Amino acid sequence: AQRVTQPEKLLSVFKGAPVELKCNYSYSGSPELFWYVQYSRQRLQLLLRHISRESIKGFTADLNKGETSFHLKKPFAQEEDSAMYYCALRVSNAGGTSYGKLTFGQGTILTVHP
Amino acid sequence: SAVISQKPSRDICQRGTSLTIQCQVDSQVTMMFWYRQQPGQSLTLIATANQGSEATYESGFVIDKFPISRPNLTFSTLTVSNMSPEDSSIYLCSVGAKFTYNEQFFGPGTRLTVL
Repeated sequence: AQRVTQPEKLLSVFKGAPVELKCNYSYSGSPELFWYVQYSRQRLQLLLRHISRESIKGFTADLNKGETSFHLKKPFAQEEDSAMYYCALRVSNAGGTSYGKLTFGQGTILTVHP
Repeated sequence: SAVISQKPSRDICQRGTSLTIQCQVDSQVTMMFWYRQQPGQSLTLIATANQGSEATYESGFVIDKFPISRPNLTFSTLTVSNMSPEDSSIYLCSVGAKFTYNEQFFGPGTRLTVL
């Protein structure tokens, strides 16, 4: 069975400092990996997906298959980045399509201090 | 994108009672999912709801406790039956991605407190 591990439950940084939220996964096949974010009083929303290889709100995440990691990084944290971040893995079914059965990590609460 | 609404947004219930949570989507979707987020914990998938067929439950969740209906392609309900304080959680509805790597959308959640 697949598993997602986020080792840090809480992460605090100061504004302007770099931030890295760690995510490791275990899955024998080729997973889809995502970062979801939940700001205070808002619903869960997608931040990044590994296939896009894009930067969203200054965040990037690179899939490292050798280390089975998908760490989320931002060079200069902002106060508005304070939120709960979830790493999630989605497994394709036998037919090669994905239906949204996500496995979530425990989440990391990021606090960016002024 | 899909816009998802849930009712109720929150409720406080007595143990032994049941609560039905509704999930409405603004577009037709094949697959809908129900997740649970217990206090201080991550999201756990309860079941997958397909229109026209029985829901598929994950390990640790049973139909008698969490019956699900999916009468059409835009609506689903989750009932939390015979509630106990351990059922106090946020329950989230989600719609499945149509294509690989597509975004999956979540509802705002229903915060349930069982006394």
